[in-house]
Amino acid sequence: EPEVTQTPSHQVTQMGQEVILRCVPISNHLYFYWYRQILGQKVEFLVSFYNNEISEKSEIFDDQFSVERPDGSNFTLKIRSTKLEDSAMYFCASKLALETQYFGPGTRLLVL
Amino acid sequence: DAKTTQPNSMESNEEEPVHLPCNHSTISGTDYIHWYRQLPSQGPEYVIHGLTSNVNNRMASLAIAEDRKSSTLILHRATLRDAAVYYCIRNAGGTSYGKLTFGQGTILTVHP
Repeated sequence: EPEVTQTPSHQVTQMGQEVILRCVPISNHLYFYWYRQILGQKVEFLVSFYNNEISEKSEIFDDQFSVERPDGSNFTLKIRSTKLEDSAMYFCASKLALETQYFGPGTRLLVL
Repeated sequence: DAKTTQPNSMESNEEEPVHLPCNHSTISGTDYIHWYRQLPSQGPEYVIHGLTSNVNNRMASLAIAEDRKSSTLILHRATLRDAAVYYCIRNAGGTSYGKLTFGQGTILTVHP
């Protein structure tokens, strides 16, 4: 069964450093998402991406964040200058159309 | 604002049915009701969704009240692997981008 994959599974970085989280969505899907979950808290929407552009973003998704689909298969989330409060699990999701979203296993980001 | 209300936690015994309730009294006519679950240390996983009629799939059944202000996720025979956080989510139909707004969900504990 096709699945969403994410790399790395864990990332440790220093405050102020840039990180790139990578996702490979299901191959024929058209809509892509990033969510995050701070430890012990609920899953929060960050951004949705369709037709090579951001379709919606939350207040969390400020200028420090960017997304890209550089080669038609990968979908990346970049955090330019990480803060301590960016420590969280980051989930990528994708869907084909008006259907369910399929989530990846997540990347655990720890900012020191 | 998830706009759904679920009990914080529920318990069940293995092999018994589980009924997980959700209130969504302000639901609009085009909102779908989605259920996702999150097993420990994993990303959210789609369970089932519906609009008006009751729905069944291999994982669960979804019973939707006639006025659509509430719904119930039914696990027919709970197993230890069903222990997870279950999220009831309203998702605007007709909105292709379809971000998911998670609440706190219901923590389901299954006893052997």
